[in-house]
Amino acid sequence: AQTVTQSQPEMSVQEAETVTLSCTYDTSESDYYLFWYKQPPSRQMILVIRQEAYKQQNATENRFSVNFQKAAKSFSLKISDSQLGDAAMYFCAYIRGYGGSQGNLIFGKGTKLSVKP
Amino acid sequence: DSGVTQTPKHLITATGQRVTLRCSPRSGDLSVYWYQQSLDQGLQFLIQYYNGEERAKGNILERFSAQQFPDLHSELNLSSLELGDSALYFCASSAGANYNEQFFGPGTRLTVL
Repeated sequence: AQTVTQSQPEMSVQEAETVTLSCTYDTSESDYYLFWYKQPPSRQMILVIRQEAYKQQNATENRFSVNFQKAAKSFSLKISDSQLGDAAMYFCAYIRGYGGSQGNLIFGKGTKLSVKP
Repeated sequence: DSGVTQTPKHLITATGQRVTLRCSPRSGDLSVYWYQQSLDQGLQFLIQYYNGEERAKGNILERFSAQQFPDLHSELNLSSLELGDSALYFCASSAGANYNEQFFGPGTRLTVL
């Protein structure tokens, strides 16, 4: 069974600084996708960034980028120039690629990020 | 705004009762997923429907059931409620059965007293 592990329950960063959130996963599949979701105090789940396993290039979305190490099954999220609005719970998630019978996301336990002014 | 709507936002009920949570997917999305978020279990997949048919089941209790209607909205029915069922219930939708990107609704906060 696939699993997703986030080893940092809480992280803190100074405003304008850079922070990296860690995620590892376990799967025997070769085709899959990885995501980072943000959950602010409003509880809404917001997709931050996605990575296709077949792509070697790391995904980037503005101040958010990932370091995808497929062999190591590692998928970390880097937030640059941290802003107060980045304070939230961040979830790493995995889903099988096309052809899988189950299309559900498998989530890690989350990392609570605090941003200090 | 993800385009996925859920009602009600909050629900407070007593043990032993039954409730229905409703979800309308994004326009054009055929797949609906239900997830439960609780403090002790984290985010867990409950069940998936695709174009009216049950597609996959996760850690869904027998007291819980769901369906997807011809207009593609979905309902999650929770019965014989227990204190431990108190959680945030999310609905998500995607374009296809195995499509990888899911868009989440705002959730329904269920409190069982």
